Amino acid sequence: AQKVTQAQTEISVVEKEDVTLDCVYETRDTTYYLFWYKQPPSGELVFLIRRNSFDEQNEISGRYSWNFQKSTSSFNFTITASQVVDSAVYFCALSEANTGTASKLTFGTGTRLQVTL
Amino acid sequence: DTGVSQDPRHKITKRGQNVTFRCDPISEHNRLYWYRQTLGQGPEFLTYFQNEAQLEKSRLLSDRFSAERPKGSFSTLEIQRTEQGDSAMYLCASSFRSGGGEQYFGPGTRLTVT
Repeated sequence: AQKVTQAQTEISVVEKEDVTLDCVYETRDTTYYLFWYKQPPSGELVFLIRRNSFDEQNEISGRYSWNFQKSTSSFNFTITASQVVDSAVYFCALSEANTGTASKLTFGTGTRLQVTL
Repeated sequence: DTGVSQDPRHKITKRGQNVTFRCDPISEHNRLYWYRQTLGQGPEFLTYFQNEAQLEKSRLLSDRFSAERPKGSFSTLEIQRTEQGDSAMYLCASSFRSGGGEQYFGPGTRLTVT
């Protein structure tokens, strides 16, 4: 069975601080995809990034960066110089992909990030 | 560019009543997913379609729940004889079948069973 653990329930930071959100996953599949989604107070889940199990390159997109390490089954997300608009609940998710395509997502319980001035 | 839409956005119903929700996916997407999210939890998979075929249904899904996607476009999710435990946000998402298949979510339908 697949499982995603986000041990940090809530994180509070002051604007401009860097913050890392942790994600640890479990799967027996050799081919899988990992995702991060943002759920702002408005409620709609916003896709941020996808990574497949064969690509361990770290990725940077503006102030966002992701660190994928198969050895520790982790897919951590760092926000550099956080801003108030980053306040949201962030979900890590996993999908098996033995047919080559991602399908249903298994989500973690989310990390609520609060960025204050 | 039109995203995923869901209707209604909110539904209040009395226990025992039937409810039906609708989801319109992104037009070129051939996969459509339903999830349920309760307060403080991540979304939980319910079922998904590829075109009009229902490919998987969660074992946790009660027989009171049924979903359809009759023409491979919009989908409906029906809950019969609602219970208070059905109160949740019902989310719909769509994706392409190929590649990474990242899912794009709609705004959800919040169901309250009184």
